[in-house]
Amino acid sequence: GQQVMQIPQYQHVQEGEDFTTYCNSSTTLSNIQWYKQRPGGHPVFLIQLVKSGEVKKQKRLTFQFGEAKKNSSLHITATQTTDVGTYFCAVGGSARQLTFGSGTQLTVLP
Amino acid sequence: DAGVIQSPRHEVTEMGQEVTLRCKPISGHNSLFWYRQTMMRGLELLIYFNNNVPIDDSGMPEDRFSAKMPNASFSTLKIQPSEPRDSAVYFCASSPQGSGNQPQHFGDGTRLSIL
Repeated sequence: GQQVMQIPQYQHVQEGEDFTTYCNSSTTLSNIQWYKQRPGGHPVFLIQLVKSGEVKKQKRLTFQFGEAKKNSSLHITATQTTDVGTYFCAVGGSARQLTFGSGTQLTVLP
Repeated sequence: DAGVIQSPRHEVTEMGQEVTLRCKPISGHNSLFWYRQTMMRGLELLIYFNNNVPIDDSGMPEDRFSAKMPNASFSTLKIQPSEPRDSAVYFCASSPQGSGNQPQHFGDGTRLSIL
């Protein structure tokens, strides 16, 4: 199936600082999804990007899909303690299954 | 609306015992996925079903693992015999019918500890 590299693995930020996680693929992606998993919780779908160069915003979260559809990023502006968790990108295969990136674990220090 | 329901939430058992994990997908969803999550290997797809039929079980680690979906509202993942290295969080997820990749809705997971 599709493979995707996600970086960084861990990120510690002070509350109020920005945060970005990146996903990169060697092949062109049909779409990419982003999920958030709170500590002790389950992954929760955030958004799906489909179009080349697409940018979507959800309050302080900005999601981008690269022009070549080989990379994507999630940026959080002015982090809050409620942003703590692991953020995963996920890419689709030929059928309906997803391959999840390794995740970026975000810690927000108050 | 009820989400994906998994049971049990926690399971602690001794190695060699049979373990059965259960999942009820969201009503109307026709794709069901079983994942395993560990610190070392992250979130791994074990098997997925479409319209109750197993489509891809290449992620199932060994013959000790088996999964069934006897109807659209119920699936099981069985480990027999269990081993300590099977300790992990097992998630079930479902997604609706549609072309391309639909968002997956995850259950709360089963935290499995094999002693």
